[in-house]
Amino acid sequence: EVQLVESGGGLVKPGGSLRISCVASGFTFNNFNMNWVRQAPGKGLEWVASISSSGSWIFYADSVKGRFTISRDNGKNSVFLQMDSLRVEDSAVYYCARGLVVAGNFDPWGQGTVVTVSS
Amino acid sequence: EIVLTQSPATLSLSPGERATLSCRASQSVSNSLAWYQHKPGQAPRLLIHDATNRATGIPARFSGSGSGTDFTLTISSLEPEDFAVYYCQQRSNWPPDFGGGTKVEI
Repeated sequence: EVQLVESGGGLVKPGGSLRISCVASGFTFNNFNMNWVRQAPGKGLEWVASISSSGSWIFYADSVKGRFTISRDNGKNSVFLQMDSLRVEDSAVYYCARGLVVAGNFDPWGQGTVVTVSS
Repeated sequence: EIVLTQSPATLSLSPGERATLSCRASQSVSNSLAWYQHKPGQAPRLLIHDATNRATGIPARFSGSGSGTDFTLTISSLEPEDFAVYYCQQRSNWPPDFGGGTKVEI
């Protein structure tokens, strides 16, 4: 079964940092690009970042560029999101998702990890 | 940046009825559009990719149509489990943004 499991969410103060992780199983991880998508409370889905299968290309949403870093470890079937200089508006459920093609066709998604930025 | 506008924001229907959801792009995305279903507390699910292709395991009552700037997701006969929020997403240009969503409610 293809599965993605996120972890590492929690409560952090504004200006703080957090690293969230996603472990994949059930497929050949290093054949697929990976993505992070978030949903703030009461809002819709917002794409955050994408990384290619080899890590050779990376893209970020303007809202997180310069503050967030996506990376992957193909040996551990894992993708990470390092979040620095966190803001209240970064509070959201963060989902990782496998990309069947570049920039889209996200399938499957993990169950998400909750990040709360509050003083 | 391509903006996706979904309408209506909310669709109130009963089981057995037909649902028609619209997604309009601010510029052509060709057929590079996907539809997702999202229920509270669950992971989003890919329904339709490349405008018209059902994803693996998706029931035949879900269908997608359109190309260029105007797209439609149709649910031919609503089942109780279909009440959820539906999002379109384009992958023609970076950033691969989502539309604002349509909530299908009873």
